[in-house]
Amino acid sequence: KNQVEQSPQSLIILEGKNCTLQCNYTVSPFSNLRWYKQDTGRGPVSLTIMTFSENTKSNGRYTATLDADTKQSSLHITASQLSDSASYICVVSGQAGTALIFGKGTTLSVSS
Amino acid sequence: DAGVTQSPTHLIKTRGQQVTLRCSPKSGHDTVSWYQQALGQGPQFIFQYYEEEERQRGNFPDRFSGHQFPNYSSELNVNALLLGDSALYLCASSLWRDVNEQFFGPGTRLTVL
Repeated sequence: KNQVEQSPQSLIILEGKNCTLQCNYTVSPFSNLRWYKQDTGRGPVSLTIMTFSENTKSNGRYTATLDADTKQSSLHITASQLSDSASYICVVSGQAGTALIFGKGTTLSVSS
Repeated sequence: DAGVTQSPTHLIKTRGQQVTLRCSPKSGHDTVSWYQQALGQGPQFIFQYYEEEERQRGNFPDRFSGHQFPNYSSELNVNALLLGDSALYLCASSLWRDVNEQFFGPGTRLTVL
């Protein structure tokens, strides 16, 4: 069964600290993997997208990594800010014509 | 250039009623996908429309139906509302040729009492 599992479910960190969110998937065949940021009550916004051949992709303070062999991805947030408080969702695309598969998300709270 | 827009923002209904949610895609996009997101969960795929036809459907009952208009905008209809239908309903638009490059709207928060 195609699944996307994220950990931890929630995370609380102090402003300025770094953190890493994890995503494991069992989707096969694999097309690409996206990380989205979703503020409370709003729609998800894309942060990064990686294909099978890409190992890392950065977007400002966000860096995503992908290991297609172990089917694992991580999202590293550097020097966290209060505005980083949100849910981060890992989304995997399978073969063409199939629906996106969403993880449940990790809820990040950044406190001052 | 407006992104994906949805209306209404919030909606309160009672069990057994019917509801219609609306979505206008990002300019230039021709495909609309609908998702249901329960509190604390990831979005669940409902269905996808292209050329005014339902192209894919997730595991949702027939109470959930949709429509796409010639201008690519779309509606999601839910009949015989249940308490469990309370959720954030997200619309995402894309180009059919790159259907997984989806841009999400702000969502409609539906509360069923």
